[in-house]
Amino acid sequence: QKEVEQNSGPLSVPEGAIASLNCTYSDRGSQSFFWYRQYSGKSPELIMSIYSNGDKEDGRFTAQLNKASQYVSLLIRDSQPSDSATYLCAVQTGNRDDKIIFGKGTRLHILP
Amino acid sequence: NAGVTQTPKFQVLKTGQSMTLQCAQDMNHNSMYWYRQDPGMGLRLIYYSASEGTTDKGEVPNGYNVSRLNKREFSLRLESAAPSQTSVYFCASSAREGTDTQYFGPGTRLTVL
Repeated sequence: QKEVEQNSGPLSVPEGAIASLNCTYSDRGSQSFFWYRQYSGKSPELIMSIYSNGDKEDGRFTAQLNKASQYVSLLIRDSQPSDSATYLCAVQTGNRDDKIIFGKGTRLHILP
Repeated sequence: NAGVTQTPKFQVLKTGQSMTLQCAQDMNHNSMYWYRQDPGMGLRLIYYSASEGTTDKGEVPNGYNVSRLNKREFSLRLESAAPSQTSVYFCASSAREGTDTQYFGPGTRLTVL
């Protein structure tokens, strides 16, 4: 059973600090990795995608991928109260059918 | 450009009733998906359609059927609703299967009594 694991939280971070969200996955053949943000009562929306080892930055967000350790993370710099949401890690499996598996999400709470 | 639309937004059913959840996308995407989201369980794939004319089972297909009516529309049918199917249902689409961003509809909140 291919799995994507996330700490469910809640993760509480002071406003202006760095929030660090982590995700591990079991399928070594996975090639594509995504971070989605989901506000309460809303649908998920994509924040970042990453396909190669290393860091990828987009504004206040940085995604980090380490395929050898089967680990992907999302850093949010200068955290704002509007960043309070559930963050879903999604991983494309290495199967022929290429399905994406979602983690259960980490609840992030930014403290004003 | 509406993206992904779903109807209805809310629905209450009695055990044994049937209903169809509708989904449409206007982004000319090839792949479409149906997920359910339950507290503490994350998003679980019910069925997906990699392209028009094809459908395949996901992680939790039992109790559901789907129809890819055309490239735009992908419907999910509950033939005989059960309380275990109480959930929030999301439809999503992507340009291609797997490697591309999925765009989600607003969701349908279904309660089965």
